[in-house]
Amino acid sequence: GENVGLHLPTLSVQEGDNSIINCAYSNSASDYFIWYKQESGKGPQFIIDIRSNMDKRQGQRVTVLLNKTVKHLSLQIAATQPGDSAVYFCAESGDNTDKLIFGTGTRLQVFP
Amino acid sequence: DTGVSQDPRHKITKRGQNVTFRCDPISEHNRLYWYRQTLGQGPEFLTYFQNEAQLEKSRLLSDRFSAERPKGSFSTLEIQRTEQGDSAMYLCASSPAAYGYTFGSGTRLTVV
Repeated sequence: GENVGLHLPTLSVQEGDNSIINCAYSNSASDYFIWYKQESGKGPQFIIDIRSNMDKRQGQRVTVLLNKTVKHLSLQIAATQPGDSAVYFCAESGDNTDKLIFGTGTRLQVFP
Repeated sequence: DTGVSQDPRHKITKRGQNVTFRCDPISEHNRLYWYRQTLGQGPEFLTYFQNEAQLEKSRLLSDRFSAERPKGSFSTLEIQRTEQGDSAMYLCASSPAAYGYTFGSGTRLTVV
């Protein structure tokens, strides 16, 4: 299948630990940000999103933090599980367009 | 209708041949997007439809590429005179608005 994640930065964590994945976005006019999870051979899967009028949003086991001052986005995964192993991408949109601009992915490896 | 469907999942073609991919979006979604993803990279925007109207095209979409969405439902992406550099995963996504994307599993194209 598709070898997503080849040559990408890799974060290795032990099962049960918390994971933090970081992303720098490019356009200060972007107003909507999304984190996607992509497993090999599959399309990106929505995890969580945040609008620029917020700096934090929580989901089930996941939290997204947005720092507009330095154009930085992070994804925190609590109690990381083996099923969380995948490549994670941040994406931005806005600035009068619906298209998504994806950042460089990070491969998350979870060890038992 | 549980998601975005793409056909075929895999396509191997000889250089110079034409190929056509199909995307069936979630039925109530009026926006449809095509992206291309190469190994180790995030998806890159190609083009976007709102209903049957093609509203935005990337400069990545050369004149060998054409996309249609004739009845505002399914969409096709055709590549003429394929080149080895066209080898990639072609992803389709749909959304009901300018957020809430759902991606399909993609069509993996290999040009030999």
